[in-house]
Amino acid sequence: DGGITQSPKYLFRKEGQNVTLSCEQNLNHDAMYWYRQDPGQGLRLIYYSQIVNDFQKGDIAEGYSVSREKKESFPLTVTSAQKNPTAFYLCASSRGRESRWDEQYFGPGTRLTVT
Amino acid sequence: KNEVEQSPQNLTAQEGEFITINCSYSVGISALHWLQQHPGGGIVSLFMLSSGKKKHGRLIATINIQEKHSSLHITASHPRDSAVYICAVRRWTNDMRFGAGTRLTVKP
Repeated sequence: DGGITQSPKYLFRKEGQNVTLSCEQNLNHDAMYWYRQDPGQGLRLIYYSQIVNDFQKGDIAEGYSVSREKKESFPLTVTSAQKNPTAFYLCASSRGRESRWDEQYFGPGTRLTVT
Repeated sequence: KNEVEQSPQNLTAQEGEFITINCSYSVGISALHWLQQHPGGGIVSLFMLSSGKKKHGRLIATINIQEKHSSLHITASHPRDSAVYICAVRRWTNDMRFGAGTRLTVKP
């Protein structure tokens, strides 16, 4: 079955530690995205990548870093510089064509709690 | 003011009721999406539309481009429809903007 996997489902970290969230897709999609979801707010874009070895900052990139070494994988690192890291993180992918019909497919999400 | 506003924030209905969720946006868009998020957190796409109306089973989505407004209707609601429904718009710059979601609870 094609899809997007994120692991782990729940992640707990101590303040000051970096943590990396995994996102893998087998849909052969070129574009991948990381979003953050907080209670009462819409999803906000952290980083996105339209092609391997290239990525762009989204609206709230401060305190985060990404890499895109393989088409299938787009890991997100939440660094100690992120002031409020506790949130639900969603990864998505799309075919990546410059088309208004480019639909995004979402992973199951990772809930990160930093104490 | 958010670029995408949804109403209501929370909605409770009895099984069988007709449900309407509204979405208004303030930016130029190329497409609008309705998404469903279940309690576990995963999101699935329900509709993608740029004009008119689409129907899938008991779900109907409409959009009025001139009024910058879209509605999602659920006919004969069922407890399994309980979820958060999210409106998202694709701007002409090709990026997405998301509403905060409407939490729907359907009671048996």
